[in-house]
Parts: sequence; structure tokens; C-alpha cells
Amino acid sequence: QSALTQPRSVSGSPGQSVTISCTGTSSDVGGYNYVSWYQQHPGKAPRLMIYDVSKRPSGVPDRFSGSKSGNTASLTISGLQAEDEADYYCCSYAGSYRRVFGGGTKVTVL
Amino acid sequence: QVQLVQSGAEVKKPGASVKVSCKASGYTFTSYYMHWVRQAPGQGLEWMGVINPSGDGTTYEQKFQGRITMTRDTSTSTVYMELSSLRSEDTAVYYCAALTPGQYYFDYWGQGTLVTVSS
Repeated sequence: QSALTQPRSVSGSPGQSVTISCTGTSSDVGGYNYVSWYQQHPGKAPRLMIYDVSKRPSGVPDRFSGSKSGNTASLTISGLQAEDEADYYCCSYAGSYRRVFGGGTKVTVL
Repeated sequence: QVQLVQSGAEVKKPGASVKVSCKASGYTFTSYYMHWVRQAPGQGLEWMGVINPSGDGTTYEQKFQGRITMTRDTSTSTVYMELSSLRSEDTAVYYCAALTPGQYYFDYWGQGTLVTVSS
């Protein structure tokens, strides 16, 4: 199972929007509406930010949103804030209990 | 509240095995599938496999087949991940992660266990 493809880094100024893409195949991203996104700060465990493509858990700011088109899912952070600087990973269900992660994207707040 | 507490850091020599534990609390242990995810230094997250604590069924990522074993002890609400024939590339932080029944995302994570493989 190959990792999902994410850009290695994206950046934006405070208040701007950034979008992270996550490209897979019809066997994972394109085949199921079970894409989730995780935020990870250095030395910390990942934190769930988006699940089932576009749903936000309680406690996650509404500036985080998710979407999907075909084999590509996306995470958008609107109104970028300093505390959003972190690594972000997408993850997709891939059938038969399996999961596949993206390679991760470093978000830098300029 | 759901808590996953993992065992401490390990240092192993190449060719050895390591067994990492993940003790669960705050929920019905047999209800939540438990996955294992690892992260090599400076690298991304990598899915390793999953165990069904109610029936002991497992599914492993193909690259670990033959080297990985996941087990559970319902009497102590603990799951275990054992990786054998260790090599330097297995140096990583290993996480357990639980899924709420019927869901497809990881909403609960352990704190991580650093396994270092070095001669």
C-alpha cells in the first residue's frame, strides 16, 4: 500500500488561508468517505482535526475544513494562526480494516 | 475518559524483538479496535496493523507480515505489539490508537513509545 501524496510544505501569513491536498487512488481516498486529518506538534501525539472527509470533532476551531473530489482530499485552514504551525497528515480507510497515511505536510506561519 | 498508556522506551540490538504494551481505561476494552502506528525520526506516520480486542482477530500491513504480532489481554485491558528481527530502520516512536466503535478515525492515541535499534 503506497502512502497518500501530500505536499511537503505550505506556508501563509497570519489570517490567510492554506490548503493541503492528499492524493490517493480509487482503492482508498476515492473509494470511501473515510478520510481523516491529524495535526501533530513536535514531540506530541497526533490530534484528530477532521474525520469522514469534512466533519469536525468538538473542540476543533471552525477555521479547519475538509473536502474531497475524486481521489484527492483537501484540508483548508482559514484565518491562519500562529498555533496552527505544525505537521498535518491525512489518513484514509483502504478496505478490510486497513489504513494508509499521507507523507505529511509542514505548515509554516510566516 | 478514554486513556491509552504505553510502556516505556526500549533500546534493542539488531535482530532482537521488542514488545510494546498499551493499557486502556475509561471504556469497554473489547469494544474499540486498536491500531498501531509508527513514526521514524523526522518521518511521517505509518500504519502497521489492527487488532480486534473482542475476538483477537488481526490485520497487518503487508510490509510487516511475518515480523509483527498483535495480542491482547482482556483481564488487564492491555494490547501488545511485538516486532521481531529488528533493524535500524525500525527505530521509531510506536503509537497505539483506538477507534470509537463504528467509526473510521483515530480519536484516542497513546503517548508513544520510542524504540531504538542500535548495535
